[in-house]
Amino acid sequence: SQTIHQWPATLVQPVGSPLSLECTVEGTSNPNLYWYRQAAGRGLQLLFYSVGIGQISSEVPQNLSASRPQDRQFILSSKKLLLSDSGFYLCAWSRPDRRAFFGQGTRLTVV
Amino acid sequence: DQQVKQNSPSLSVQEGRISILNCDYTNSMFDYFLWYKKYPAEGPTFLISISSIKDKNEDGRFTVFLNKSAKHLSLHIVPSQPGDSAVYFCAASDDQSGGAQKLVFGQGTRLTINP
Repeated sequence: SQTIHQWPATLVQPVGSPLSLECTVEGTSNPNLYWYRQAAGRGLQLLFYSVGIGQISSEVPQNLSASRPQDRQFILSSKKLLLSDSGFYLCAWSRPDRRAFFGQGTRLTVV
Repeated sequence: DQQVKQNSPSLSVQEGRISILNCDYTNSMFDYFLWYKKYPAEGPTFLISISSIKDKNEDGRFTVFLNKSAKHLSLHIVPSQPGDSAVYFCAASDDQSGGAQKLVFGQGTRLTINP
């Protein structure tokens, strides 16, 4: 069966510090991968998606970037965090039948 | 522009009764709809989905109804159980993204099941 791992679960970072969140998927090959963010009291917003190694599409302009160095690895990064980057970040993958499945999420607090 | 809307931020239902969660969308290109359940500090869990070629899909206690003309879908939970207390998100996607499943989410509805 397929599983998705995301870490860390929580992170507190000072403004201006770098960020690296990692996500890996097991049990499938060439998955479509996604990064979503949930701001407080709001729905989930798609940030980036990838349909293959090295292929990244950005949905919203922001202070973040994404990379896919390996088939089942997806990384969310920032060179300098802003207070507005605080939120709950979720990695997801989708099956050919169009169902999407999420990781456990990372609570990022920028202080 | 909120393409997917869940107009009820919260809903309280008695245990054993039916819970009905509603969702409206504006984009007529959406052709696949999903419901997710989310507990605090956890990722959303897939519940049930429906394609636009259907008007109903059932899985155990969960049934999703789709009214394309009204651009409205609903999730029915029967009977409601205390473990159903969570935030429920409606999501939609179209088939225009080169294979990527770009989900557009509603704001969520917090369902509370009272004993």
